[in-house]
Amino acid sequence: DTAVSQTPKYLVTQMGNDKSIKCEQNLGHDTMYWYKQDSKKFLKIMFSYNNKELIINETVPNRFSPKSPDKAHLNLHINSLELGDSAVYFCASSQGLAGTYAYFGPGTRLTVT
Amino acid sequence: GENVEQHPSTLSVQEGDSAVIKCTYSDSASNYFPWYKQELGKRPQLIIDIRSNVGEKKDQRIAVTLNKTAKHFSLHITETQPEDSAVYFCAAVPGGGADGLTFGKGTHLIIQP
Repeated sequence: DTAVSQTPKYLVTQMGNDKSIKCEQNLGHDTMYWYKQDSKKFLKIMFSYNNKELIINETVPNRFSPKSPDKAHLNLHINSLELGDSAVYFCASSQGLAGTYAYFGPGTRLTVT
Repeated sequence: GENVEQHPSTLSVQEGDSAVIKCTYSDSASNYFPWYKQELGKRPQLIIDIRSNVGEKKDQRIAVTLNKTAKHFSLHITETQPEDSAVYFCAAVPGGGADGLTFGKGTHLIIQP
């Protein structure tokens, strides 16, 4: 039974488009995250979301916006896609804000052409 | 914010030998230090972690040590096997925890047969 799932697994789109990535966790965790892994494998936090409190990494462009309909879901919307947005995006969840035992989803490979 | 440095970026060892990966962190308030293993095309998976009130933790062939005074922690893998080949990431959770995991840049571990 999948703990953290993401859709789609692959996303190929053109510059300027708007796209969304969905994430769901069935672990009962109350904190969810989005991480970006670039072509050099660097993993960087984008957002953390806990009980409707959103914490944004200041380096994330405002074209990126997380949306959480409930505690088990955290979707990522990206407007006006740029070439530099190409990366693998990982959703993750953990219990509490401490980030302990964070469990990652399978990732979404986004390619912007 | 927290900054995590990881060395080496690539490590090649003979099967059966030991491997050591080292990380340093900058935020003295950081209190949780996990290690993740990422195989090609897969999600990062938690393999071991240590909290700031513990100096060493062991789980079968892997162990982690933490020196709070020096602000560094290390991953030790003994009796390496081909399936240990992967990218390993160290991480730290800054004080407060709300900012999620800050990752090192990763170490590509290659096990030579």
